[in-house]
Amino acid sequence: GENVEQHPSTLSVQEGDSAVIKCTYSDSASNYFPWYKQELGKRPQLIIDIRSNVGEKKDQRIAVTLNKTAKHFSLHITETQPEDSAVYFCAASRTGGGNKLTFGTGTQLKVEL
Amino acid sequence: GAVVSQHPSWVICKSGTSVKIECRSLDFQATTMFWYRQFPKQSLMLMATSNEGSKATYEQGVEKDKFLINHASLTLSTLTVTSAHPEDSSFYICSAYIPTGVGERETQYFGPGTRLLVL
Repeated sequence: GENVEQHPSTLSVQEGDSAVIKCTYSDSASNYFPWYKQELGKRPQLIIDIRSNVGEKKDQRIAVTLNKTAKHFSLHITETQPEDSAVYFCAASRTGGGNKLTFGTGTQLKVEL
Repeated sequence: GAVVSQHPSWVICKSGTSVKIECRSLDFQATTMFWYRQFPKQSLMLMATSNEGSKATYEQGVEKDKFLINHASLTLSTLTVTSAHPEDSSFYICSAYIPTGVGERETQYFGPGTRLLVL
């Protein structure tokens, strides 16, 4: 089955700096890659997703890049703010959200003032 | 936007009792729902895929007789933890899948989770 690795496990940045979280996946058939933000005790919230027919997608301060050949994808957050502090999970699945998601291990992002 | 609710939000029970958790899609019909378990400071682990009108598909290592899943309608899936024990204490989260063409992007939307504590 699919295996998703995520790095780093913790990331601390100064407010205004950029943050990058990287994930690799093992199943070459995976073609849907969402990113979720989870605050303590709350549900995961979808923040951005990308499909395998696209190399990059951006939504305001958040961007995701995908390298199908290397089987890795990354989340980029620019101009970080304290409210960006949370745990971020990457995930991968085949054929979109209707198939089961395999999650990465999570990254605890802390944005310091 | 797509809304998924869960009930109860938290529950404390005695060892040996059964606990039922409900997952509802409030503004769309979900043919597929998923159940996850999340231990503190860990990732979400898929337990089973729940399809309306058919038996759930369990992930390897998940006891189907202990974690009973019923998806009787397009808006409701239930997870029953039978004969709960302290090691079953966890955060249980459901998600519902919205297919393309239903107004939202094709993805999974999560419920708020149910925190279970078995004494």
